Amino acid sequence: DAGITQSPRHKVTETGTPVTLRCHQTENHRYMYWYRQDPGHGLRLIHYSYGVKDTDKGEVSDGYSVSRSKTEDFLLTLESATSSQTSVYFCAISALDNEQYFGPGTRLTVT
Amino acid sequence: GNSVTQMEGPVTLSEEAFLTINCTYTATGYPSLFWYVQYPGEGLQLLLKATKADDKGSNKGFEATYRKETTSFHLEKGSVQVSDSAVYFCALRGRYGNKLVFGAGTILRVKS
Repeated sequence: DAGITQSPRHKVTETGTPVTLRCHQTENHRYMYWYRQDPGHGLRLIHYSYGVKDTDKGEVSDGYSVSRSKTEDFLLTLESATSSQTSVYFCAISALDNEQYFGPGTRLTVT
Repeated sequence: GNSVTQMEGPVTLSEEAFLTINCTYTATGYPSLFWYVQYPGEGLQLLLKATKADDKGSNKGFEATYRKETTSFHLEKGSVQVSDSAVYFCALRGRYGNKLVFGAGTILRVKS
């Protein structure tokens, strides 16, 4: 298995609170991604990174921000969580032109 | 833009039955195509892939052939097992860049 961990694995939070999810890799891959998984939508890309301090938006980036200060860590922040952000969040990593490897996921519930 | 359409599930089969999960795509140029599998409570795992037309990806008894003329990448297995019960996602990666576009996923349930 690719060395990808996500923390926390489960979180319940209240509407309006900030939340940060962490993705950590031990593979030294250049690319990292954050997806959300919702029934009927498959996985949708939120943000991705193509290097330290280099990030870009995906198709569902509104309400989310990311940071990557080290190769191994990619953080996803919900500045003010809303109920529509209740989802399962997956991190993925890849080398250039190679397949993506996924972490175990974080289940986030916003009440 | 690029998109992937999968057959809706759930698909329920008896053990040893033949499996087909349909996947069609819309893309500019020549994308790479993937099938990922997600077992309950886990992340996605790459099942197989094909990077050019007429390529056949295969793994663990599953196969899929990249058909450019029909823009399809259907997943097949000759004899399913209970342990194949999972969610299957078809995905594409465009000719340029690393981003994946996923289908909605198809739940497969195999009964003993």
